[in-house]
Amino acid sequence: DTGVSQDPRHKITKRGQNVTFRCDPISEHNRLYWYRQTLGQGPEFLTYFQNEAQLEKSRLLSDRFSAERPKGSFSTLEIQRTEQGDSAMYLCASSPGTSGSKDYEQYFGPGTRLTVT
Amino acid sequence: AQKVTQAQTEISVVEKEDVTLDCVYETRDTTYYLFWYKQPPSGELVFLIRRNSFDEQNEISGRYSWNFQKSTSSFNFTITASQVVDSAVYFCALTTINTGGFKTIFGAGTRLFVKA
Repeated sequence: DTGVSQDPRHKITKRGQNVTFRCDPISEHNRLYWYRQTLGQGPEFLTYFQNEAQLEKSRLLSDRFSAERPKGSFSTLEIQRTEQGDSAMYLCASSPGTSGSKDYEQYFGPGTRLTVT
Repeated sequence: AQKVTQAQTEISVVEKEDVTLDCVYETRDTTYYLFWYKQPPSGELVFLIRRNSFDEQNEISGRYSWNFQKSTSSFNFTITASQVVDSAVYFCALTTINTGGFKTIFGAGTRLFVKA
């Protein structure tokens, strides 16, 4: 049973460029989440999907951010016109989301560390 | 509004000492879940335990134990006989559920140093 994977693990980009990150959840998990984590802080929720439907978006997710999960499997997070303030670790997690208490147990990937210069 | 407070920013102990990490939460929702996650230096968050709002039974799993008390809105985590490999940042998280959906909030984390 493979865990959550994310690609790339590290991304360095210049301000103003677009970047895209990919997340592959645990195969039988219906829910997929994106978080942002800055140094010394806990993860902050960005958005989540139930299958292919994006059900909630945080106010942190500005117009420059977009996320997709087209077939209900992997997901992509795109940041357009990156700013230095976007530098952070972007975490993806998945959970079963079928029924019961385990629905909310989130399993995290290794993250993508973004540095905007 | 939901809130998770981990008042201890850093804790340093010597190997084999017991250590308790505190977590206090706030929510008006009656259905919620509490979690502890471990983030070792490698960076990947590891799920440790989940507790439901309607289940105050405390649990012991090996060297780990958890104390959930609704009366004080606390969900504390104890490591018995700590080991160097326990050094990590530990996060407490709250997932609340209501008619509008659900929301997960993490505390700021407690960094635990276990010295040999």
